[in-house]
Amino acid sequence: AQRVTQPEKLLSVFKGAPVELKCNYSYSGSPELFWYVQYSRQRLQLLLRHISRESIKGFTADLNKGETSFHLKKPFAQEEDSAMYYCALKGAGSYQLTFGKGTKLSVIP
Amino acid sequence: DGGITQSPKYLFRKEGQNVTLSCEQNLNHDAMYWYRQDPGQGLRLIYYSQIVNDFQKGDIAEGYSVSREKKESFPLTVTSAQKNPTAFYLCASSIVGQGAVEAFFGQGTRLTVV
Repeated sequence: AQRVTQPEKLLSVFKGAPVELKCNYSYSGSPELFWYVQYSRQRLQLLLRHISRESIKGFTADLNKGETSFHLKKPFAQEEDSAMYYCALKGAGSYQLTFGKGTKLSVIP
Repeated sequence: DGGITQSPKYLFRKEGQNVTLSCEQNLNHDAMYWYRQDPGQGLRLIYYSQIVNDFQKGDIAEGYSVSREKKESFPLTVTSAQKNPTAFYLCASSIVGQGAVEAFFGQGTRLTVV
């Protein structure tokens, strides 16, 4: 079975402060991990995936297989980062895409 | 306009009636998914399909049924057996391939059962 845990339902930070959204996963094989974002009144969309190892909108995420984590980080939060963030997992060779419960990020001006 | 389209945006039904939610994509994607989104529950997978005429149950398939007769279409039927059908339903599609492929989502259908 595959499982994704996002321990924080809501995270509030001040503008300019660092952000870390936590994600832990459970999967016995090689996972493919993603962060999706849903801005107000917009579709759920991909933010980044672990395999690309790139920074999108200032966000980065590193897969730590030892700790089974894929935390999302940004050094300086912006007001436009306020949104719902979902961590997701797909097993290599599988098509089942499993999401966590999501974390609502609120950036205070 | 390419993408994934769900219709209708809002749907009201009486308790005990079956209802079918539409999902169409013109992205030529092989894989399609249905999720249910409830406050505090995130997205829970109902059914997914990786090829025409084939689909698998997700984590909460009870009370739902799907079909995949065409590549472009993956309708979801919410049956009267579903105990708590009022929810926001999301459809997604992706290519089938190796690597971390992106899923594209529709705008969703909000179903209210009264």
